[in-house]
Amino acid sequence: AQKVTQAQTEISVVEKEDVTLDCVYETRDTTYYLFWYKQPPSGELVFLIRRNSFDEQNEISGRYSWNFQKSTSSFNFTITASQVVDSAVYFCALSELRGGADGLTFGKGTHLIIQP
Amino acid sequence: ETGVTQTPRHLVMGMTNKKSLKCEQHLGHNAMYWYKQSAKKPLELMFVYNFKEQTENNSVPSRFSPECPNSSHLFLHLHTLQPEDSALYLCASSLDLRTGALGYGYTFGSGTRLTVV
Repeated sequence: AQKVTQAQTEISVVEKEDVTLDCVYETRDTTYYLFWYKQPPSGELVFLIRRNSFDEQNEISGRYSWNFQKSTSSFNFTITASQVVDSAVYFCALSELRGGADGLTFGKGTHLIIQP
Repeated sequence: ETGVTQTPRHLVMGMTNKKSLKCEQHLGHNAMYWYKQSAKKPLELMFVYNFKEQTENNSVPSRFSPECPNSSHLFLHLHTLQPEDSALYLCASSLDLRTGALGYGYTFGSGTRLTVV
């Protein structure tokens, strides 16, 4: 069975600090997809990134970067020069390519607090 | 607005009440999902509909009853709930199941915050 672990329940940093959110996953499939979502106080989950299991290239998007390491089954998310607006709950998720009937498997989320 | 609209945003109900949560999307999506988000637990997939047909029921108690009259609307009917059912209920949609699994256009609503008293 698939599983996603986000060991950090809550992280609090001061604005402008860099912060890394950890995500470790388990799956038996060789083809799978990994995601990060942001959940602001308004509640909706906002899609940040999608990665397939065959693409281990790291990705950078502005202040956001993602490090995918199949050898350690990790897909970590780093925010550089954090800002107060980054405060939210961040979820890592996994999807196996079996028609999508299982939806996405989510981690418990990491509550990120950026203090001014 | 994400394109997926959930109403009401907040709901307080007694254990003997019957209420319904509504989810609506006009994105042209054919797969719709109900997730439950409890405090300090992962989001749990409850129900999946693909082209109006229910494809998944993840051992959800019968006091939760989904309904999908068409591809644009999804309901979650609630009756005789328990306090532990208090949670944020999120609706999501995708073009279909497969594209949902691939992560293309998996769109979430803002959720209904349910409190059972």
